[in-house]
Amino acid sequence: DTAVSQTPKYLVTQMGNDKSIKCEQNLGHDTMYWYKQDSKKFLKIMFSYNNKELIINETVPNRFSPKSPDKAHLNLHINSLELGDSAVYFCASSLQGGGGQPQHFGDGTRLSIL
Amino acid sequence: GENVEQHPSTLSVQEGDSAVIKCTYSDSASNYFPWYKQELGKRPQLIIDIRSNVGEKKDQRIAVTLNKTAKHFSLHITETQPEDSAVYFCAASKNQGGKLIFGQGTELSVKP
Repeated sequence: DTAVSQTPKYLVTQMGNDKSIKCEQNLGHDTMYWYKQDSKKFLKIMFSYNNKELIINETVPNRFSPKSPDKAHLNLHINSLELGDSAVYFCASSLQGGGGQPQHFGDGTRLSIL
Repeated sequence: GENVEQHPSTLSVQEGDSAVIKCTYSDSASNYFPWYKQELGKRPQLIIDIRSNVGEKKDQRIAVTLNKTAKHFSLHITETQPEDSAVYFCAASKNQGGKLIFGQGTELSVKP
């Protein structure tokens, strides 16, 4: 029973397209995150939502728009995909967003831009 | 700004030896320091964490130490096994927002 699940696992698309990644957690957590892992394995925070409210936006281009319909779901929509968007995108969740809480990661979505 | 430096970037040890990975953080308000293990093609998995009110924590073969004054924390793995081979990430966070600032990662290779 996967705690944090992301779909799709792989996404291959052309430059300029629009795509979405979905994330769901069944842990009852209040806070969800999106991280980007680049080709050098560096993990960087993108967004954080606490109970459907955006609390962190780390200077990510406007082409990236997160949406949280409820606290168990956090989706990521990307417009006008660029080559530099190729990466693995990880969703994570934690009990609360105030810090000091373990974050549980999904399996990641590997996005490849042709 | 917030920054976490991690060393070494690669580490190769013989099975049974110990491995030590070190991290330094810049934001003195950081109060939570988790370590993640990421196997190839898999998700980062939390292996141990420590809070700023504790100096050391141990879980079987894994231990973490924290020096708040020097803003250093380290991961120690004893009696390494081939299945310990992975990329290890340190991270730091503080109360505002809870976002994790990750180190650059250490690729650990344990040779049988």
